Amino acid sequence: DAGITQSPRHKVTETGTPVTLRCHQTENHRYMYWYRQDPGHGLRLIHYSYGVKDTDKGEVSDGYSVSRSKTEDFLLTLESATSSQTSVYFCAISGGLTDTQYFGPGTRLTVL
Amino acid sequence: GNSVTQMEGPVTLSEEAFLTINCTYTATGYPSLFWYVQYPGEGLQLLLKATKADDKGSNKGFEATYRKETTSFHLEKGSVQVSDSAVYFCALSGDGATNKLIFGTGTLLAVQP
Repeated sequence: DAGITQSPRHKVTETGTPVTLRCHQTENHRYMYWYRQDPGHGLRLIHYSYGVKDTDKGEVSDGYSVSRSKTEDFLLTLESATSSQTSVYFCAISGGLTDTQYFGPGTRLTVL
Repeated sequence: GNSVTQMEGPVTLSEEAFLTINCTYTATGYPSLFWYVQYPGEGLQLLLKATKADDKGSNKGFEATYRKETTSFHLEKGSVQVSDSAVYFCALSGDGATNKLIFGTGTLLAVQP
């Protein structure tokens, strides 16, 4: 299994609070991705990174920001959480543009 | 834009039955196609993939053939087991700049003993 961990695994927070989710990899892969999984939508890309300090938006990026200061860590921040951001968040990594993406175990976030 | 359509579930089968989960896609260029599986409470695992037309991906008794003429990548297994119960996602990647994946909505498979 690819070495990907996500923390926390579960989080309950209140509307309006900031939340940061962490993805950590031990594979030294260049590309990292954040997806959210919602019923009826499959997985949708939030943001991705193609190198340290190099990030870009996905299809559902509003309300989210990311940072990548080291190869191994990719942080997803909800500046002011809303109930619509209740979801399961998955991190993925890949070594190259055509390489398979490997997924972390997910973080279940509930915004009350 | 690129998109994936897969059959809605749940699909309920008896053990040893034949499985087909349909997946069709819309894409420009020549995407790679994937099937991922998600077991209860876990993340997604790559089940199989195909990178060009007429390729057949296979793993753990599952197969899927990349059909460009019908823009399809249907998942099949000849004899399902209870342990195959999971959610199955069809996906494509074709964005050469970022390798972004486009997922279908997922199909829940429930296999009964």
